[in-house]
Amino acid sequence: GDSVTQMEGPVTLSEEAFLTINCTYTATGYPSLFWYVQYPGEGLQLLLKATKADDKGSNKGFEATYRKETTSFHLEKGSVQVSDSAVYFCALSDTGDSWGKFQFGAGTQVVVTP
Amino acid sequence: EAGVTQFPSHSVIEKGQTVTLRCDPISGHDNLYWYRRVMGKEIKFLLHFVKESKQDESGMPNNRFLAERTGGTYSTLKVQPAELEDSGVYFCASSPLSITDPSYNEQFFGPGTRLTVL
Repeated sequence: GDSVTQMEGPVTLSEEAFLTINCTYTATGYPSLFWYVQYPGEGLQLLLKATKADDKGSNKGFEATYRKETTSFHLEKGSVQVSDSAVYFCALSDTGDSWGKFQFGAGTQVVVTP
Repeated sequence: EAGVTQFPSHSVIEKGQTVTLRCDPISGHDNLYWYRRVMGKEIKFLLHFVKESKQDESGMPNNRFLAERTGGTYSTLKVQPAELEDSGVYFCASSPLSITDPSYNEQFFGPGTRLTVL
């Protein structure tokens, strides 16, 4: 079946540091890939998405490229801020019978210190 | 436009009691989903409604869980009787049905209901 694996946290960084959160997946169809973010006390928000191989999703300075050859969708940001402290979830939505059934990774907590 | 709302935000009950969670999707979204995150692990799919019909309930853990969506608008998820392992955060999400909608393959999540079973 489909699955998503992302690096464990917490990840602690200083402000303006470079952030990478690794995400790899297995899927039987042609999935769309997503990064969701959960800020403290809030719900899940879509951060970015990519629907086909080699697509790059970007938002709020974050980027992730859909790499089919390595089945990866790593999240990157060049210079983090304290306000980026949150839990980040990688997710996929496959085609076929699995459509609509999002598969999530376990989440990576990111803590950015001033 | 209002987002997905869930009620209550927190619920603390004792083992053996009944709890009902409610989700109001974004207006016009015919797809409605329930997910659960237990003990900081991955968020797991529970079930999917299309309008008032259950499209996929393969993630429902057992028959103590009952989801309904009468009239195809809001949905409820009842746990009866609750067990300790049911503790976690229950998320609801919704999405449009039309393939021509640019948000077709996205899901919009609510803030979640944190359920604690003592």
